[in-house]
Amino acid sequence: DIQMTQSPSTLSASVGDRVTITCRASQSTSSWLAWYQQKPGKAPKLLISQTSNLERGVPSRFSGSGSGTEFTLTISSLQPDDFATYYCQHLRTFGQGTKVDIK
Amino acid sequence: QVQLVESGGGVVQPGTSLGLSCTVSQFTFSNYGMHWVRQAPGRGLEWVAFIWYDGSNEFYTASVKGRFMIARNNSRNKLFLQMNSLRAEDTALYYCVRDAAFRSSPDWYFDRWGRGNQVTVSS
Repeated sequence: DIQMTQSPSTLSASVGDRVTITCRASQSTSSWLAWYQQKPGKAPKLLISQTSNLERGVPSRFSGSGSGTEFTLTISSLQPDDFATYYCQHLRTFGQGTKVDIK
Repeated sequence: QVQLVESGGGVVQPGTSLGLSCTVSQFTFSNYGMHWVRQAPGRGLEWVAFIWYDGSNEFYTASVKGRFMIARNNSRNKLFLQMNSLRAEDTALYYCVRDAAFRSSPDWYFDRWGRGNQVTVSS
């Protein structure tokens, strides 16, 4: 199975910061990659599918890019509602998560 | 508003069995493949099992193959997970999750999630 590795594991940032989370695959995933946001005590929420397709209702400050084995999730201007844990996913495999907390 | 509501969790001893159910509403259940995804306390997400929209095929993660069985009843809008020979490492919050693909092979995008149901395996 493909392994998905996210970095960093934890990210401390301030409101208004530009935030980038990286997801690396152990082998090529083509563009088959999703990003999820999970807040404490809540179910994950699909943000982005197929590397860069923003789900309906997801703010445009979120964007995804990449191909092959390296992908990024970018939040252009971090908002208070964005403090959460983010997971990348390829098929059956999730990354270990990146917690975005307040600096 | 799409809803997925899990039930049936609880505390059980190692080696015993437990069944989870998920009742869905506000979408045509028979048009979508369904997954179970779990999350151990303080840990990340782990995909567990998938069943095709028509129930014709199933996939399992290696650690549960032969112990867990996923099933569905499209006329009752219900998804099931029968868990046998439970182990301590099966302790987790189990989510019922919809695959985004419509009446086709799974696309592995999990677009709707239930709130989760806790399963604790402990002696």
